[in-house]
Amino acid sequence: SYVLTQPPSVSVAPGNTARITCGGNNIGSKSVHWYQQKSGQAPVVVIYYDSDRPSGIPERFSGSNSGNTATLTISRVEAGDEADYYCHVWDRSSDHYVFGTGTKVTVL
Amino acid sequence: QIQVVQSGAEVKKPGASVKVSCRVSGYSLTELSIHWVRQAPGKGLEWMGSFDPEDEKTIYAEKFQGRVTMTEDTFTDTAFMQLSSLRSDDTAIYYCATSHGDFNAFDPWGQGTLVTVSS
Repeated sequence: SYVLTQPPSVSVAPGNTARITCGGNNIGSKSVHWYQQKSGQAPVVVIYYDSDRPSGIPERFSGSNSGNTATLTISRVEAGDEADYYCHVWDRSSDHYVFGTGTKVTVL
Repeated sequence: QIQVVQSGAEVKKPGASVKVSCRVSGYSLTELSIHWVRQAPGKGLEWMGSFDPEDEKTIYAEKFQGRVTMTEDTFTDTAFMQLSSLRSDDTAIYYCATSHGDFNAFDPWGQGTLVTVSS
């Protein structure tokens, strides 16, 4: 089965940039979505199809995807960005959805 | 705008079954894919299965094959997920989420339903 690997945690000071990676075999050939999950809440999509941003999501959130790594970048990090982040793909070969292992972003 | 509301928390004994509902509004259920995802305490998101209305196909993650059944009542725009032979490690928050057409990001999600399995 297809596996997506994320770093368990990322720590960043306010105003700096956080980069969250999502590793998977040839993930660049797939469409990647990213979700933000704040404590006690349901996930919310922050990036879809690698780099598109839903309405209402700040421009500080951006995404890229190439080769074996997709990346979610949060610029000018704010305290309110503290959350768990998950990458997500549909694996065509298995016709299954897969979530990454999740990354906890801590704002110092 | 699609809204998703799930049923309330459940407490079940090991070996029992649970049926969680997910009612959508703002869109007909016949036009939406419904996905079920669970999250054990302190753990990550785990995809359980999905229903695609275009080909009327339900796909289940191998881990849940034989124990999970996903159904829909299009008259009430309500989807259901039934999980049987419950074990303590099935204790989790169960989410339903939607997607529409070729857009397969899960958006929006329901508020989640806590299922506790305990003797």
